[in-house]
Amino acid sequence: EAQLVESGGGLVKPGGSLRLSCEVSGFIFRSFTMAWVRQAPGKGLEWVSSITSGGTYKYYSDSMKGRISTSRDNAENSLFLHVDSLTDADTAVYYCARGDSGWPAFDLWGQGTLVTVSS
Amino acid sequence: EIVLTQSPVTLSLSPGERATLTCKASQSVSSDYLAWYQQRAGQAPRLLIYGSSRRASGIPDRFSGSGSGTDFSLTISRLEPEDFAVYYCQFSDNSVWTFGPGTKVEIK
Repeated sequence: EAQLVESGGGLVKPGGSLRLSCEVSGFIFRSFTMAWVRQAPGKGLEWVSSITSGGTYKYYSDSMKGRISTSRDNAENSLFLHVDSLTDADTAVYYCARGDSGWPAFDLWGQGTLVTVSS
Repeated sequence: EIVLTQSPVTLSLSPGERATLTCKASQSVSSDYLAWYQQRAGQAPRLLIYGSSRRASGIPDRFSGSGSGTDFSLTISRLEPEDFAVYYCQFSDNSVWTFGPGTKVEIK
């Protein structure tokens, strides 16, 4: 069964940084574009970043560009998101998502990891 | 930058009724690039429709999508209890992904 499991969330102080991970199983990870999507408490979905299957191309939302970096390790079936200069506006559940092959949609999602930015 | 708006914000219906949700893009987009997701309370989103009208794997046929240009819609032909949730449309040109603000379908 295809599965995405995020980790690395928790309580972080304003100004701090964090690294989220997404461990993948049940499908050929290296064949798929992957993405991060976040959701602030009680709010809608916000795309954060995407990375192509080989890691060559990386795309970032304008709202977070300059503070984030996404990477992947295809040998370890893992996706990563590094976020710097955290503010309370970054408090959200961060989801890892798989890009549908051939279509610009996300066909598989993890359960998310909660990041809380607070002093 | 494409902006998506969804209406209504909230749709109050009874089980068995038909639901029609709309998604409007700020400029014309290819229907290949429009998707719909369902998010039940406390759960991760789930892909329902991609390419404007193609049902994702395992999605019941009571869900259908249509539209072109700037106007798209998601129809649920007969609401089941598990369909009461928030629905998001999403556009992407494979370099930027944008979600609409969502429509909540609630039990009347």
